[in-house]
Parts: sequence; structure tokens; C-alpha cells
Amino acid sequence: RKEVEQDPGPFNVPEGATVAFNCTYSNSASQSFFWYRQDCRKEPKLLMSVYSSGNEDGRFTAQLNRASQYISLLIRDSKLSDSATYLCVANSGGYQKVTFGTGTKLQVIP
Amino acid sequence: GAGVSQTPSNKVTEKGKYVELRCDPISGHTALYWYRQSLGQGPEFLIYFQGTGAADDSGLPNDRFFAVRPEGSVSTLKIQRTERGDSAVYLCASSSTQGEAFFGQGTRLTVV
Repeated sequence: RKEVEQDPGPFNVPEGATVAFNCTYSNSASQSFFWYRQDCRKEPKLLMSVYSSGNEDGRFTAQLNRASQYISLLIRDSKLSDSATYLCVANSGGYQKVTFGTGTKLQVIP
Repeated sequence: GAGVSQTPSNKVTEKGKYVELRCDPISGHTALYWYRQSLGQGPEFLIYFQGTGAADDSGLPNDRFFAVRPEGSVSTLKIQRTERGDSAVYLCASSSTQGEAFFGQGTRLTVV
């Protein structure tokens, strides 16, 4: 089983739609979680950290469910510019190594 | 510098040749990672340094791959006897104790 698993998609959604991605992690000792965004042929960039209490940044909401070992990303009012691959990341408990999922591709359609 | 710097940005080499890829992390970041990314895939972990030592090299695919970080800052990924299957984008990232990793723009390696 992969340490971090994501549905690769693609998710094709119309502008203005709400879309949610889930990601599961296998290491119960993982402490830190992040969502990264990667545009085509660019490096991944941090979108947001995921906190136990859940956190929101504008149209983006991230949540963590430790009992079920998954994290989620919700994007409201999708924009064309949200089209990208979204990478789920979990660190390995005890030290800083981070593990990436394979990414979920989002395509927002006019 | 302000961000993670990787050189060269592109490298074309012949099969069988030796290559070195360089990563200059964000100043003060003790953790440094090398990843490899093929088209349509997520970053694949290669090796992780904490300071000068390789804390986890379990992702290196075989003994043709080696990485060093002698002074705990700049790191070099070395690939011997390159094969066409080594062609990919090699990404370097660094992080502080908070764990958020920041990436360089990558080196696109093409083995012909």
C-alpha cells in the first residue's frame, strides 16, 4: 500500500462549481499534512497546510480526519485558474521526511 | 538566495555518461530532499538529508545513483552510467522544522 494515496482524476468541473479531493495516508504517526499545487511543467508549490481543527483560506478549505487517516481539500467557486494538479503530502512521524501522493488533476471548464 | 536553486535547468546527456545535478537550498533549512518526477506522475522520493547525513536513501533506484551534502547546505545528485529510463525532472526541496517543503524549479534530464 502506498504511503499517500490520491484519486488521480481528472476532475472536470464547470466554473463556479465546488469540488473536493480526498487523500489517505498509511502512517498513523504522521504529524504534518499539506496540499501542494503543481502547474504543468512547473515545480510543486505549497497551497496550504492542514491543521487538526481544519483551516480555510479564501475559497479553499482543508480538513484532517485522524481516525480515518485522510485529509481533504475543498475548492468553492472554481476558477479557470484553479486548473492544476493537487498533491497531498504527509510527513513521516518522528522526522521531517515528507511523502507525496501522485496528485489529482483538476480541469475547470468555462 | 531567497529560494531553492537548481542547476542546470536542463541537461541532455548521452546514454552511459555521468551527470551531476546541483541543489542550493534555502539558507538555514536543515532538511533537503531529492525527488524525481516523470510526466503525469507525482514526485517520487529519492533521498532525504538531515544536515550532512542521508537520513533516508531508500528511494534511490539503484547504485548508479548517489547524493552528497558535505557541508549541510548544497547537495549534488550524481548519476553514473545514465540510461534512457533516467530521463525525468529531478526536483530538490528544502524545509525547516515546520515541515513545509519548498521546491526548486527542477533539472530536466534527458538521456539520449
